[in-house]
Amino acid sequence: SQQGEEDPQALSIQEGENATMNCSYKTSINNLQWYRQNSGRGLVHLILIRSNEREKHSGRLRVTLDTSKKSSSLLITASRAADTASYFCATNGRGSTLGRLYFGRGTQLTVWP
Amino acid sequence: KAGVTQTPRYLIKTRGQQVTLSCSPISGHRSVSWYQQTPGQGLQFLFEYFSETQRNKGNFPGRFSGRQFSNSRSEMNVSTLELGDSALYLCASRSTGELFFGEGSRLTVL
Repeated sequence: SQQGEEDPQALSIQEGENATMNCSYKTSINNLQWYRQNSGRGLVHLILIRSNEREKHSGRLRVTLDTSKKSSSLLITASRAADTASYFCATNGRGSTLGRLYFGRGTQLTVWP
Repeated sequence: KAGVTQTPRYLIKTRGQQVTLSCSPISGHRSVSWYQQTPGQGLQFLFEYFSETQRNKGNFPGRFSGRQFSNSRSEMNVSTLELGDSALYLCASRSTGELFFGEGSRLTVL
């Protein structure tokens, strides 16, 4: 399976702290994406990093990619209660169509006010 | 710009029935993908359509089918429903690499 695996499965922090989530995958990729999902809702795209990129920033988000270790991390700085959600990494496998993503099981982030 | 719209949002069916779910992509997006989300299996890819052609298909039985129309709207159909088909069905559209998801259709099979 190409599915990514997020670590940790659950993370609980206080507002203002940083949250780091990790993702590992198994095969060569075109890109890796991070999504957020509030309970029972659709997924919201956060950031896409291509296989030839090592780091990307978007607002309070920082994503790194290490293709040699087949791993990625998502850092959310200065967390807010509104960041409480499930976070998924998803890989687009090399040779696959762009609409096919392999999702991990997600990290449940809880940010306490 | 309106987002991805999925209908219906909630539905309840009984075993053996069939169901059709609809997805309207973001205007200008020609690619639509469908995913099933369950607590046990997580998010799994069902199909991908582009310009009315199925471009990719996940590992689901033939009871699961889909199609895309000339206006890029897509439907998926599940026939002979089983209890295990209870899930959140998510549709996503894209123009480049990022997928934009709708709120999903939550199907409960009794």
